Amino acid sequence: KAGVTQTPRYLIKTRGQQVTLSCSPISGHRSVSWYQQTPGQGLQFLFEYFSETQRNKGNFPGRFSGRQFSNSRSEMNVSTLELGDSALYLCASSSPRPSGGSTYNEQFFGPGTRLTVL
Amino acid sequence: DAKTTQPPSMDCAEGRAANLPCNHSTISGNEYVYWYRQIHSQGPQYIIHGLKNNETNEMASLIITEDRKSSTLILPHATLRDTAVYYCIAYWNTDKLIFGTGTRLQVFP
Repeated sequence: KAGVTQTPRYLIKTRGQQVTLSCSPISGHRSVSWYQQTPGQGLQFLFEYFSETQRNKGNFPGRFSGRQFSNSRSEMNVSTLELGDSALYLCASSSPRPSGGSTYNEQFFGPGTRLTVL
Repeated sequence: DAKTTQPPSMDCAEGRAANLPCNHSTISGNEYVYWYRQIHSQGPQYIIHGLKNNETNEMASLIITEDRKSSTLILPHATLRDTAVYYCIAYWNTDKLIFGTGTRLQVFP
């Protein structure tokens, strides 16, 4: 089974530009989450989509947005880029599985897109 | 959100057991404890999770105290490939991982 794929792997942009990152989940997974990783703030949750609807959201400004398509592929967009947006952006997909009478969603992470803002 | 506290770094000799502690004293009844690790330059990888009972899988064992205020991840026979940052998370929503600063485990020959 193919893993989570993210494109592009590396990206360089300048301040003020916008960027779109893409994530293809594992086949059959309907939930896609996005995370930002920086040396200063660590790994931070951005948002999660399930069946084309944003289900969970982290504490990021409105410049960060996302969407999910009917085939579960997801994109995230950052507008008006700032230097502080330089980060590794990770995507994860999950599928519920039974665990002790409830369900647990193990998240499978992609390799990430490293964005550099100059 | 239950906050977790982990030591920033630990060393372990190859072949020995690595015991990684995690404190989650404010955990509530519906919050799982789960562990992920991140090997350099890769995305995090799920290891194990538990609610109340101790758990074991092919990768590790998870020991949760009876009061659920702390837990220990055990890698029974650490290898060099286990060198990574290990994150302990205590949260009810498994679709939204709240990562802390983690423990950097260095396995040495």
